[in-house]
Amino acid sequence: KQEVTQIPAALSVPEGENLVLNCSFTDSAIYNLQWFRQDPGKGLTSLLLIQSSQREQTSGRLNASLDKSSGRSTLYIAASQPGDSATYLCAVTGAGSYQLTFGKGTKLSVIP
Amino acid sequence: GAVVSQHPSRVICKSGTSVKIECRSLDFQATTMFWYRQFPKQSLMLMATSNEGSKATYEQGVEKDKFLINHASLTLSTLTVTSAHPEDSSFYICSAADRGQETQYFGPGTRLLVL
Repeated sequence: KQEVTQIPAALSVPEGENLVLNCSFTDSAIYNLQWFRQDPGKGLTSLLLIQSSQREQTSGRLNASLDKSSGRSTLYIAASQPGDSATYLCAVTGAGSYQLTFGKGTKLSVIP
Repeated sequence: GAVVSQHPSRVICKSGTSVKIECRSLDFQATTMFWYRQFPKQSLMLMATSNEGSKATYEQGVEKDKFLINHASLTLSTLTVTSAHPEDSSFYICSAADRGQETQYFGPGTRLLVL
């Protein structure tokens, strides 16, 4: 059974800092990995999707990497802003099943 | 991009009543819809997978007679929480996937509070 772990559970940084969120998964047989953002009481916003054959994806200040063999992904946020404050969820799609398994998320607070 | 809506966004009901939550894909045909539940400080947990025109597949531990899912068309799936109890209070999120099922598009979620 796939398990997804996110470290740290919470993170507080001053505005302008670069930061890294970590995600690990136990079964490397994945179809893709996604990073989502969730604002309090809201649904999910997809940030980046990395196919299993890819190593990284970039969107603006966000960069996500994937090391499938070691079961790890990182989300790098450059020059953090208060508007980046949210919970960031990592999820993997199982190969052949298309079901998502989510981590518990990292709650990020960017202090002005 | 693909848009998925949910209605209502928030609902408060009395214990013992039933609540229906709608999930619609607005600009694409969703052959498969997924229903998730998220308790505070917990990750999303898949409750069931529904394919248009067939019975939903429920995850272990999810009562199919309590959480009724209907996926009668390619753009609409409904989740009915029957005889709701306070422990059913949670955030319910649906997602929809098109025929390729490579990407799930998520709805904004429905917050249910059972008094």
